[in-house]
Amino acid sequence: ETGVTQSPTHLIKTRGQQVTLRCSSQSGHNTVSWYQQALGQGPQFIFQYYREEENGRGNFPPRFSGLQFPNYSSELNVNALELDDSALYLCASSSPGTGLTEAFFGQGTRLTVV
Amino acid sequence: KNEVEQSPQNLTAQEGEFITINCSYSVGISALHWLQQHPGGGIVSLFMLSSGKKKHGRLIATINIQEKHSSLHITASHPRDSAVYICAVRTNTDKLIFGTGTRLQVFP
Repeated sequence: ETGVTQSPTHLIKTRGQQVTLRCSSQSGHNTVSWYQQALGQGPQFIFQYYREEENGRGNFPPRFSGLQFPNYSSELNVNALELDDSALYLCASSSPGTGLTEAFFGQGTRLTVV
Repeated sequence: KNEVEQSPQNLTAQEGEFITINCSYSVGISALHWLQQHPGGGIVSLFMLSSGKKKHGRLIATINIQEKHSSLHITASHPRDSAVYICAVRTNTDKLIFGTGTRLQVFP
């Protein structure tokens, strides 16, 4: 098992609500990336945080926002939830700049919007 | 066109068969990952490659940087190998771009 944990594992929300997903990174990793994986699709990059700053973003609207804390754990916040936001949300931690890097994935949070 | 393409999308095999899954990419990369995703969603990193070939048990991964192509091979396949196998490339700006995955089912 990796040292990346995500919470909660499953979540059901109503359209229009807000949700916060959490990710603790692998020890020693200072970069966290978030991905959305719709059913039957590969993960899509949402954004990445490096040392508490957003360090790149995919094609997701501003209602997807994030935070990284001094201990490098991270949150993904989604406002005004839509039905299409139903997906598995994955976080991965890594430590760039150390030569060959590895991304360690959490088990994901499965979000259902009804 | 996706920046990372996998083939085939679905693959069915009999136990014991040799399996190959292919991945082609069109961006500059620093590394390529092969990942395994079981039902329920958890992802396990199988390999990270930047050149050549790696072997772990019955799994072999190869990459050809010039041709921008990688393959994942499974020898003596087993039903427990049934999963979705995902190719992901790490770009030169440290982002991961994923393929849509290959769903493998191995029957006894």
